[in-house]
Amino acid sequence: NAGVTQTPKFRVLKTGQSMTLLCAQDMNHEYMYWYRQDPGMGLRLIHYSVGEGTTAKGEVPDGYNVSRLKKQNFLLGLESAAPSQTSVYFCASGPTTSGRTDEQFFGPGTRLTVL
Amino acid sequence: AQSVTQPDIHITVSEGASLELRCNYSYGATPYLFWYVQSPGQGLQLLLKYFSGDTLVQGIKGFEAEFKRSQSSFNLRKPSVHWSDAAEYFCAVGAARQLTFGSGTQLTVLP
Repeated sequence: NAGVTQTPKFRVLKTGQSMTLLCAQDMNHEYMYWYRQDPGMGLRLIHYSVGEGTTAKGEVPDGYNVSRLKKQNFLLGLESAAPSQTSVYFCASGPTTSGRTDEQFFGPGTRLTVL
Repeated sequence: AQSVTQPDIHITVSEGASLELRCNYSYGATPYLFWYVQSPGQGLQLLLKYFSGDTLVQGIKGFEAEFKRSQSSFNLRKPSVHWSDAAEYFCAVGAARQLTFGSGTQLTVLP
């Protein structure tokens, strides 16, 4: 099993450009998440999904959109990139465990620079 | 809303020395608690998790953590640190199918 994979690994954008980050998981998990990691701030949740066709906002959703058309994929879009979106982006997935919030499995990350 | 505080931004220990990384959480109900490790340029890997029961939890790579409800703490420990343990460590609390992370502790291991 590949676990959680992310495409691309690195990307450089100019201000105003758009792009989509792709996350895929092969563990049949219902839940999927997108985080950004900035120095000294830990991981902050951007958007998440509790199942195919559903999405919800996290802590820092502004400037991002997401889609979950297939259970195994979770896409993160930036419509008009800004330098403040320079960050490392992590995707994660998690199982449906009745009655509790269980661990998440993380991808290797995408390093995005917006000039 | 839940929150996690990791008071130590950076810790340096010598190889073979013991280690304790601090984590304090804020959450109104019984917490689900996690420790993750992140090596440079990598994603996060789960070290251990606490849901209920025994308050001393064993994890991978020789790590353990102790849940202390009275202190709202979930400190990570290792009796003897190896050079390969140099990494960033994150504590997290789980609620409503989401994890809230602390800001992390960077561990440096001296030879």
